[in-house]
Amino acid sequence: DAGVIQSPRHEVTEMGQEVTLRCKPISGHNSLFWYRQTMMRGLELLIYFNNNVPIDDSGMPEDRFSAKMPNASFSTLKIQPSEPRDSAVYFCASSLLENTEAFFGQGTRLTVV
Amino acid sequence: DQQVKQNSPSLSVQEGRISILNCDYTNSMFDYFLWYKKYPAEGPTFLISISSIKDKNEDGRFTVFLNKSAKHLSLHIVPSQPGDSAVYFCAAKRGSSQGGSEKLVFGKGTKLTVNP
Repeated sequence: DAGVIQSPRHEVTEMGQEVTLRCKPISGHNSLFWYRQTMMRGLELLIYFNNNVPIDDSGMPEDRFSAKMPNASFSTLKIQPSEPRDSAVYFCASSLLENTEAFFGQGTRLTVV
Repeated sequence: DQQVKQNSPSLSVQEGRISILNCDYTNSMFDYFLWYKKYPAEGPTFLISISSIKDKNEDGRFTVFLNKSAKHLSLHIVPSQPGDSAVYFCAAKRGSSQGGSEKLVFGKGTKLTVNP
């Protein structure tokens, strides 16, 4: 298995533009997580899905952020409009529902100028 | 409110010596603990875990110790190697049988440097 695949690896955009980050979880995994990593806050969970259903989105910072999981093999995290403070590395991870570890993608480094 | 805390942002050790990375947690409902390793420009990779029913788990050079009464866990790497230089994240989760979520809560990480 290729692991969790995220695209793009890097994104530079202007303030006010819409940004869409994409994730393909490991086949067969039924939980998917979106994390954001910053120097100040470390790795913080934004939202996670179980069986394509959003379970906890309390980490989503504002209404500008939205996430979808239309099927078991694809998820998106959208920021509209983007702001410079959204600049961070965004990680997607997947796991089985049972008490096991989560596997991370390589991340998307977002820079909003 | 940080539920998982890694109070040392960095640690430097000599090759061949022991590295000890520490982690404290505040949520007594956590029952599964993990350590992740992260190299620059890569995602975190799972290293080792421990269930709350145990106090020690060993995998090669890596051992995790759990002290539930103190809400403290530590990762021991012995002997340390230059390739172990990375950021190490401690993470914790609640079991779904307790009605809680399965999400992983991470500490801010400790950057380990192993000097040759």
